[in-house]
Amino acid sequence: EVQLLESGGGLVQPGGSLRLSCAASEFTFSNYAMTWVRQAPGKGLEWVSAISGSGGSTYYADSVKGRFTISRDNSKNTVYLQMNSLRAEDTAVYYCAKGLCSVGSCGRRHFDYWGQGTLVTVSS
Amino acid sequence: QSALTQPASVSGSPGQSITISCTGTSSDVGGYNYVSWYQQHPGKAPKLMIYEVSNRPSGVPDRFSGSKSGNTASLTISGLQAEDEADYYCSSYTSSSTLVFGGGTKMTVL
Repeated sequence: EVQLLESGGGLVQPGGSLRLSCAASEFTFSNYAMTWVRQAPGKGLEWVSAISGSGGSTYYADSVKGRFTISRDNSKNTVYLQMNSLRAEDTAVYYCAKGLCSVGSCGRRHFDYWGQGTLVTVSS
Repeated sequence: QSALTQPASVSGSPGQSITISCTGTSSDVGGYNYVSWYQQHPGKAPKLMIYEVSNRPSGVPDRFSGSKSGNTASLTISGLQAEDEADYYCSSYTSSSTLVFGGGTKMTVL
């Protein structure tokens, strides 16, 4: 069974940094795009960032562009989200999600497995 | 990119059918057949129910169906069951190569 396990969340002050990790197992990790989606407390889902299977292409929401960096280490089956210059509005549960398909950009459009999420709280 | 528009809530009785709409623009919903629907129970991660407008992943009951007309996509749940009570989110690929979600719909089984 596919597993995605996020870690790295916690409490950070405004302006601070945090790196989230998502460890994947039971699928050929390098074949699939991976995506981060966040959900503020009591709010809806917000797409944050995506990375292709090779890591050669990355995509960001306007709300995080220039502050967040997505990367992956296919030798460790792990995708990361480096978050800098954090703001109160970045407070959310951050989910990593696996692309549904392994070909083309389909993997960035639909997600068949999600992690349990890690909570990031930005507050002084 | 503005969120797709969904009704805040819908409800139905067991056995009935309900439809949740998801309205976007020609730059997202109307421009691509890349609409997904996710079900989320409280405290849980989202679950993919529909992809590419109308396709169901294996394991999703055929009571769930999707469609699209113009800039509006729809999720229909027929034969409502108690376990269908959840939040539902649509998403669409966009012309900016990003993804946008709807604001979510709380579906209540009466």
